[in-house]
Amino acid sequence: DSGVTQTPKHLITATGQRVTLRCSPRSGDLSVYWYQQSLDQGLQFLIQYYNGEERAKGNILERFSAQQFPDLHSELNLSSLELGDSALYFCASSNPLGRLGYTFGSGTRLTVV
Amino acid sequence: KNQVEQSPQSLIILEGKNCTLQCNYTVSPFSNLRWYKQDTGRGPVSLTIMTFSENTKSNGRYTATLDADTKQSSLHITASQLSDSASYICVVKGSTLGRLYFGRGTQLTVWP
Repeated sequence: DSGVTQTPKHLITATGQRVTLRCSPRSGDLSVYWYQQSLDQGLQFLIQYYNGEERAKGNILERFSAQQFPDLHSELNLSSLELGDSALYFCASSNPLGRLGYTFGSGTRLTVV
Repeated sequence: KNQVEQSPQSLIILEGKNCTLQCNYTVSPFSNLRWYKQDTGRGPVSLTIMTFSENTKSNGRYTATLDADTKQSSLHITASQLSDSASYICVVKGSTLGRLYFGRGTQLTVWP
């Protein structure tokens, strides 16, 4: 157990639908990062939050949004889903010093049918 | 353009053998370089983190090297085990905004 919890582990939904992925960071970590990993692709950075505020944005589509709540858990909202959105979505957290690196959750496997 | 390139793309070795994975990067300015192990369908797990001044770092049977001048890193796995079968990802952190740049990984398969 890495200490980063992601739910659900698996999600199957239809095109056009909206889903919410949840991430609880490791205790003490203030930063949360979201990544997308499509089949045979590397990890693609989507967005970072630090202590409730958006810190950096990567290749995140306008149909996707995220937020970090006061208790530091984060949610990634994916809307108007397309077949190409099928992927593993990982959340990672890091501590304020960043010296321990990033700890990844086990991911949410999203399948859009 | 900041990039991280890994080679080989895939590798098959026999149990007990050694292997070396390569990572070349163009990220600048550079903060640190990390190697992660990712089992299929699981999240990446950190193996080593090296800063500019570190040339070698070991974690059990894993030894990473870094040449910041040539912007190259390698991950050497000694006496491979079946459980080493996984994707090994090289990640470079840039100094600007702390952005992470991911390689596409080397898929290692260890056969008995």
